[in-house]
Amino acid sequence: KQEVTQIPAALSVPEGENLVLNCSFTDSAIYNLQWFRQDPGKGLTSLLLIQSSQREQTSGRLNASLDKSSGRSTLYIAASQPGDSATYLCAVPKGGSQGNLIFGKGTKLSVKP
Amino acid sequence: DAGITQSPRHKVTETGTPVTLRCHQTENHRYMYWYRQDPGHGLRLIHYSYGVKDTDKGEVSDGYSVSRSKTEDFLLTLESATSSQTSVYFCAISERSPNTEAFFGQGTRLTVV
Repeated sequence: KQEVTQIPAALSVPEGENLVLNCSFTDSAIYNLQWFRQDPGKGLTSLLLIQSSQREQTSGRLNASLDKSSGRSTLYIAASQPGDSATYLCAVPKGGSQGNLIFGKGTKLSVKP
Repeated sequence: DAGITQSPRHKVTETGTPVTLRCHQTENHRYMYWYRQDPGHGLRLIHYSYGVKDTDKGEVSDGYSVSRSKTEDFLLTLESATSSQTSVYFCAISERSPNTEAFFGQGTRLTVV
C-alpha cells in the first residue's frame, strides 16, 4: 500500500531564506509526483508535476526533484517571501485504472517578514 | 486556472437530510474525483468517474453516491447526512489518462448539525 509522508509538518523561516520541503513515498513504482499549494480555506493549486522519467522540474522560484529509487522528492523554494506562506502537499497516483492521488499530510510553511 | 466550479461553496444541513454537491468543469477532462479533507486524515478519495455514467468507489465511499450524466458534471450525494460527514469536499479532474496532472476545485465546506 502506497504511503506518502511529509516532514516537517510545519516550518517557519525568515523572509529571503532558501528552503527545502521533503516528501517520501513507500512504493517507488510511480507514474509521477505532483506538488500542490493550499492556502487556508482554499482549494489546491498545482505547482509542479514531475514525470517518473524526470529528475527535476522548475517553475519560477520553485524546483522539485524526484529520486524514485530512494522514494523521495524535494521542493526547493528560493528566496522565500511572506506570500509563500501556505500548506504544501505532495501526492502520487495510486496506479492502475483508478488514478486517484495518495497525499501526504502536508508541510505548513510560514515565512516571516 | 483550470475551469472547475463547485457548488455550493458552503452548506449547513441537518442530520438525516439528503445533500447534493455539484462539480462542473469546462476542460472536457475524462476523469473526475471527489475527495474529502479532514484534520489528521488529509485528503481521501470518496468516488471517481472515468467517463459518462462510469463511476467507481474510493477509499471512503460509505454513505455517498455519485452520478455523471454529462462529461462536465459530477454530482456527489450524501444520502442521509451524518455528523461524521462534516468536512471539506474537493472535486478534482484529470485528462485522458488518470496519471496526468490533477486540478482541484475550490472546495465545499459542509457542516452537518
